[in-house]
Amino acid sequence: DAGVIQSPRHEVTEMGQEVTLRCKPISGHNSLFWYRQTMMRGLELLIYFNNNVPIDDSGMPEDRFSAKMPNASFSTLKIQPSEPRDSAVYFCASSPLRLGPDTQYFGPGTRLTVL
Amino acid sequence: AQKVTQAQTEISVVEKEDVTLDCVYETRDTTYYLFWYKQPPSGELVFLIRRNSFDEQNEISGRYSWNFQKSTSSFNFTITASQVVDSAVYFCALSLRYTGNQFYFGTGTSLTVIP
Repeated sequence: DAGVIQSPRHEVTEMGQEVTLRCKPISGHNSLFWYRQTMMRGLELLIYFNNNVPIDDSGMPEDRFSAKMPNASFSTLKIQPSEPRDSAVYFCASSPLRLGPDTQYFGPGTRLTVL
Repeated sequence: AQKVTQAQTEISVVEKEDVTLDCVYETRDTTYYLFWYKQPPSGELVFLIRRNSFDEQNEISGRYSWNFQKSTSSFNFTITASQVVDSAVYFCALSLRYTGNQFYFGTGTSLTVIP
């Protein structure tokens, strides 16, 4: 089975531009997570969805960030407008939704650089 | 509040030495799950192990072993006869029974195995 797929793998953009990161979870997984990783702050959970519904978006830094999951096989994380401090690696992870917490499987990440 | 502490920020060992990575967690819940992930220099996060709070049996997988002790709220990870390929950042994470699949990650331990 294919793992979590993220695109693009690398993105370089200029401050003020809109950035859209994409994620395809593992088929059959009902939970999807967006994380951001930086040297200063480590791994931060931005938002997660269960059955396509956002459950907790308290980690989303500010209104410039938005995430959607229109169906079970696709999610986007959008930053508009982007700023240099948004430079980070963004990971998407998916997990089965069972009675108890289950393993999260991570995508390869998108390395975002905002100039 | 939930918290995972990995007090060792960086560890260096010479190849073939054994090394233990510490993980201490805090939670008031009686049902929880603990995880270890590996992040090699290539950047992806690789799942290593998942344990639930009712299973305190130690686990061994090849050169890897895990020691779960509820009495000290620790879930330590030992690599026996370390190899250069073990060089990576290792993350410990906690997830609770009633908070969906949300993970609480430690800050990671960077392991360097010197040939």
